Amino acid sequence: SQTIHQWPATLVQPVGSPLSLECTVEGTSNPNLYWYRQAAGRGLQLLFYSVGIGQISSEVPQNLSASRPQDRQFILSSKKLLLSDSGFYLCAWKGVQGNYEQYFGPGTRLTVT
Amino acid sequence: RKEVEQDPGPFNVPEGATVAFNCTYSNSASQSFFWYRQDCRKEPKLLMSVYSSGNEDGRFTAQLNRASQYISLLIRDSKLSDSATYLCVVNSGYNFNKFYFGSGTKLNVKP
Repeated sequence: SQTIHQWPATLVQPVGSPLSLECTVEGTSNPNLYWYRQAAGRGLQLLFYSVGIGQISSEVPQNLSASRPQDRQFILSSKKLLLSDSGFYLCAWKGVQGNYEQYFGPGTRLTVT
Repeated sequence: RKEVEQDPGPFNVPEGATVAFNCTYSNSASQSFFWYRQDCRKEPKLLMSVYSSGNEDGRFTAQLNRASQYISLLIRDSKLSDSATYLCVVNSGYNFNKFYFGSGTKLNVKP
């Protein structure tokens, strides 16, 4: 069966510091991968998605970036965090065939101070 | 106009009640529809996909109305454990990798 991991689970970072969040998927090959952010009391906002190694599509202009160095690894980064980057960051995967259901990792709760 | 709109609630119902949520979407080209459940401070978990013919999974029934562009979720015989936020999700229709999430409807089931 497929599993998806994210780390760290929680993170407190000062404004202006860098960020690196990691997501890995097991039990599937060539998944589509997604980064979402959920601000407090809000819906999920799609940040990036990737259909393959090195292929990144950005949905929202911001100071974040994403990379996919391996088939089942997806990384979200920032060079300098803003207060507005605080939120719940969720990674998700979707198979490339069949239905279009997405499955989420446990998330990283980021607080920028 | 938002891509997906939901009544935020909360819906406060007693155990055993039947409760229904609706969700409207703006893009008539959307092809895939889902309901997710999200517990407080947890990740969303897939509850069910919504098919054109409607589908049922135990106490949960989902319906799609393409003409009026809404989907619904019916929960029968509510349990305390059903208390959560229910998210409506719709794909863009033009990009199968782009999904729009509603802000969620909060359900509180009381003893």
